[in-house]
Amino acid sequence: DAGVIQSPRHEVTEMGQEVTLRCKPISGHNSLFWYRQTMMRGLELLIYFNNNVPIDDSGMPEDRFSAKMPNASFSTLKIQPSEPRDSAVYFCASSYDRGYIDTQYFGPGTRLTVL
Amino acid sequence: QKEVEQNSGPLSVPEGAIASLNCTYSDRGSQSFFWYRQYSGKSPELIMSIYSNGDKEDGRFTAQLNKASQYVSLLIRDSQPSDSATYLCAVSLYNFNKFYFGSGTKLNVKP
Repeated sequence: DAGVIQSPRHEVTEMGQEVTLRCKPISGHNSLFWYRQTMMRGLELLIYFNNNVPIDDSGMPEDRFSAKMPNASFSTLKIQPSEPRDSAVYFCASSYDRGYIDTQYFGPGTRLTVL
Repeated sequence: QKEVEQNSGPLSVPEGAIASLNCTYSDRGSQSFFWYRQYSGKSPELIMSIYSNGDKEDGRFTAQLNKASQYVSLLIRDSQPSDSATYLCAVSLYNFNKFYFGSGTKLNVKP
């Protein structure tokens, strides 16, 4: 079975541009997570969906960030406008929620560089 | 206080030795515990999960959980250079649908 799929793998953009990251979770998983990882802050949870519904978005840094999950097999994380401090690796992860968050499986990540 | 605390390391051990990685957590409501390994430039991958007090062994890896002390550890026996990576501890709080990662411990296994 395919694991979590993310695209693009690398993104270089200029400050002020819109950036859209995409994720396809593992088939059958009902929870999806977006994380950001930097050397300074480690792995931070941005938002968590369960059955396509956002459950916890307390980690979304500010209004420039938005995430959607229109169906069980696709999610996007959008940054508009992007800033250099948004440069990081963004991971998507999915899991099967049995009423609690269990093992998460990570995608390969998108390395975002904002110039 | 962070929900999950780990020593950032690096922890250096010689090849063939036992590597001991430690993690403490703050919320007594934590109910599931996980160790992930992350190689440089790669994504985290699950090594082990543990749900009850005691030891759980899987090959060269042993996870140990002590809920009274709010402590979870990972032992790697016969460490190999290929074990060199950052090890992330994570906990899940069922009642609050929360999942927290520690900042990770960097392990270096020297040939």
